[in-house]
Amino acid sequence: EVQLLESGGGLVQPGGSLRLSCAASGFTFSSYAMNWVRQAPGKGLEWVSAISGSGLSTYYADSVKGRFTISRDNSKNTLYLQVNSLRAEDAAVYYCAKGRNVLDIWGQGTMVTVSS
Amino acid sequence: DIQMTQSPSSLSASVGDRVTITCQASQDISNYLHWYQQKSGKAPKLLIYDASNLETGVPSRFSGSGSGTDFTFTISSLQPEDIATYYCQQYDTLPPLTFGGGTKVEIK
Repeated sequence: EVQLLESGGGLVQPGGSLRLSCAASGFTFSSYAMNWVRQAPGKGLEWVSAISGSGLSTYYADSVKGRFTISRDNSKNTLYLQVNSLRAEDAAVYYCAKGRNVLDIWGQGTMVTVSS
Repeated sequence: DIQMTQSPSSLSASVGDRVTITCQASQDISNYLHWYQQKSGKAPKLLIYDASNLETGVPSRFSGSGSGTDFTFTISSLQPEDIATYYCQQYDTLPPLTFGGGTKVEIK
């Protein structure tokens, strides 16, 4: 079964950091681009970042550029998102999703709360 | 960046009704548009890809059409399990992927 499982969310103070992880199973992980998409409470979906299958190409939304870093370890079938300098507006459920332009598999999400 | 305008933002319909949601792109995106369903507290699920192709396992009451800037998503006969928020998403220009604002579908 194709599956994505996020972890690493939690409560963090403004200016703090977290590393989100997404463990993949059931498909050839290195063959697919991966994305992070977030959803603030009661709001819509916002694309955050993407990475190519090889990990050589990365892309970011303007709202997170310079603060977030996407990476992957294809030997561990795991996607990461390092989130630094967190702001109140970064509070959201963060989903990882498989695919380059169509997101056909999504994880269940991990929640990031930013509060002092 | 390409902007996606989705309407309505919410709707209420009866079981068995035909439901239509529209999505308009700020520029021509050919057929580079997908539709997702998100039930409360759950992750989004892909329903329609490339404007009109039904994802495997998705009931045939769901359909999509359109090209260029104007797209339509239809539920031919609304069922209680279709209560959800629906999103369109473009991929003509990457990055970024952009989503419409969502349409919340409720039962009347």
